[in-house]
Amino acid sequence: LAKTTQPISMDSYEGQEVNITCSHNNIATNDYITWYQQFPSQGPRFIIQGYKTKVTNEVASLFIPADRKSSTLSLPRVSLSDTAVYYCLVGFPMDSSYKLIFGSGTRLLVRP
Amino acid sequence: GAVVSQHPSWVICKSGTSVKIECRSLDFQATTMFWYRQFPKQSLMLMATSNEGSKATYEQGVEKDKFLINHASLTLSTLTVTSAHPEDSSFYICSARPGLAGEQYFGPGTRLTVT
Repeated sequence: LAKTTQPISMDSYEGQEVNITCSHNNIATNDYITWYQQFPSQGPRFIIQGYKTKVTNEVASLFIPADRKSSTLSLPRVSLSDTAVYYCLVGFPMDSSYKLIFGSGTRLLVRP
Repeated sequence: GAVVSQHPSWVICKSGTSVKIECRSLDFQATTMFWYRQFPKQSLMLMATSNEGSKATYEQGVEKDKFLINHASLTLSTLTVTSAHPEDSSFYICSARPGLAGEQYFGPGTRLTVT
């Protein structure tokens, strides 16, 4: 069963580190895990992508355990402008190919 | 680089009419384009996948005769909502991918309201 699970919402304060986890038990073995940020009435914006272990860029880190059944997006020192919905995008095997499925999204609220 | 545009950004139409939404990759050639629909406070749901020059592949539950997709060139895909009804009101988002695999680049979305 292709399914991702994310917390519905999270609250944080400015300057804190925020970790958002996406569970994806049946992930396709050869596909990447991608995280997006979405503001109201806008298209998703790419944050980070990884296959395994840890990936870091200028805005976030992505931690993927060896079994790849979950991934954790880490946002260091969040600011008010990080208030948004965060989605994981994961590939699942379907028939002879695979299908990319968005997670349900985590609504992050950053308070002053 | 990797910019995807959509036009219009919002549209209001009357029930029974048809609406066309354009998706363009501005600085790369898109072998594959995707169309998503997003209802308020929900995730993006894939409607269809289209490869340039071939028929679109629709997801289960999406009526191909109602949501016409044309991917006539490597930089343009169109979604036409035919005989629109109020329940078709939603946020439609396209994405484009340069190859058969890899990262998708998303457009800004089109807000459709059917009255």
